[in-house]
Order: sequence, then C-alpha cells, then structure tokens
Amino acid sequence: DAGITQSPRHKVTETGTPVTLRCHQTENHRYMYWYRQDPGHGLRLIHYSYGVKDTDKGEVSDGYSVSRSKTEDFLLTLESATSSQTSVYFCAISRGAARNTGELFFGEGSRLTVL
Amino acid sequence: QQQVKQSPQSLIVQKGGISIINCAYENTAFDYFPWYQQFPGKGPALLIAIRPDVSEKKEGRFTISFNKSAKQFSLHIMDSQPGDSATYFCAASADKLIFGTGTRLQVFP
Repeated sequence: DAGITQSPRHKVTETGTPVTLRCHQTENHRYMYWYRQDPGHGLRLIHYSYGVKDTDKGEVSDGYSVSRSKTEDFLLTLESATSSQTSVYFCAISRGAARNTGELFFGEGSRLTVL
Repeated sequence: QQQVKQSPQSLIVQKGGISIINCAYENTAFDYFPWYQQFPGKGPALLIAIRPDVSEKKEGRFTISFNKSAKQFSLHIMDSQPGDSATYFCAASADKLIFGTGTRLQVFP
C-alpha cells in the first residue's frame, strides 16, 4: 500500500459536465502523476507534478487540467466531459528523489463513464 | 505514435509452462525498463526492472532479457502458475514513464 487514495472510485456523468478526480497521498512525496488506461492503449500520461503549483503536460493532456495546491493532493479536472474521456484514471507517485526513476506506485483507479 | 510496442496482446499458457512477452522501443534515451503487473480492479504494480547496462535480470520465476542493439526487451515467466494470470505492461523511461499496450496472460491448470 503506497498510501494513495483516489476519489471517487466510480462516477457516471453526462457530456458537457465538469468532473474533478482527486488523488490523495499520505507519504509527502514530491512527484505525482495522472494516467488514463484504455483497451489497446495501455496507460497514457495525462499530467504530472513536481511539487506544489508545479505541473506539466503529458502525452494526452488535451481536455484536462490539474492543480496541486498541497503536497498531498493532486486534482484532475475535466472542464467539459466528453464520451472519449470515458476511461479508468490512475494516480501514481514516485518515491524517488529524482524526477523519474521509473518506479511508480499506483492508486486503485477511478472509473469514469461519460454518457 | 507508440513509443513502446508490446506483443502479444493476449497469451494463454498451461500451468508449468513458460510465458514470454516482448517489447520494442525506438527512443535510445530510455534508460530504465520496468515491467508492471496488474490484477483486475487494481492499479499496476512494479514487478521487475532492468537498466540497459545489463542483458538479463532474474527475480524468482521472472526474468527480463534485454537486447540493447536490437532495442528489444522481454519478460519470461518460468513455471507459470494460475496466480500469474494478470495483465502485464512493459514500460520505458527517460524523464517520464511510457507504457506498452499490455498483454493479458491467462494460465490454465
């Protein structure tokens, strides 16, 4: 258990509504990541954070924004959800001191369905 | 553009057999190659990893073989067990972790 909690775990919403997913960690790690998982695509990086108010885009960032106002919380927002954003979203942390050691620890995922 | 290509998509193996999953990459800046294991309803978990300065790494029944010149690496699961049934992802990192598309492994008794 890497001390990562994702909420909500399941959500069904309608096209055009805003959605915020929350990732909470208890271990005070600097690096946090949001991935989405889709069949045939594996896991794709959406956004990541190096620390409070320090974030950057991943490979599939369009339609998503993030915020990190506290070390322990990393929020992923879909400003206006679309059906193509139906997915399972995973938050991950890196316990290393360097930006990326490749050793990520994942939460249990948030399943989002956009109707 | 898929930076890390993984095959096969699915794999069925008899208990006691060898499971082999292959990955290929293009970016020569990648310097860390982990494999993740994911059970249904759970997040991926690190299984084993290798750096390009070695050609093989073994941990129990799991072995990574790495071919730097061919830009390929593979996961071998010896004496496969039903409990190994899961989805396996290869990955590669330079400054960010890039995943392959996954292989669903089913081990039948």
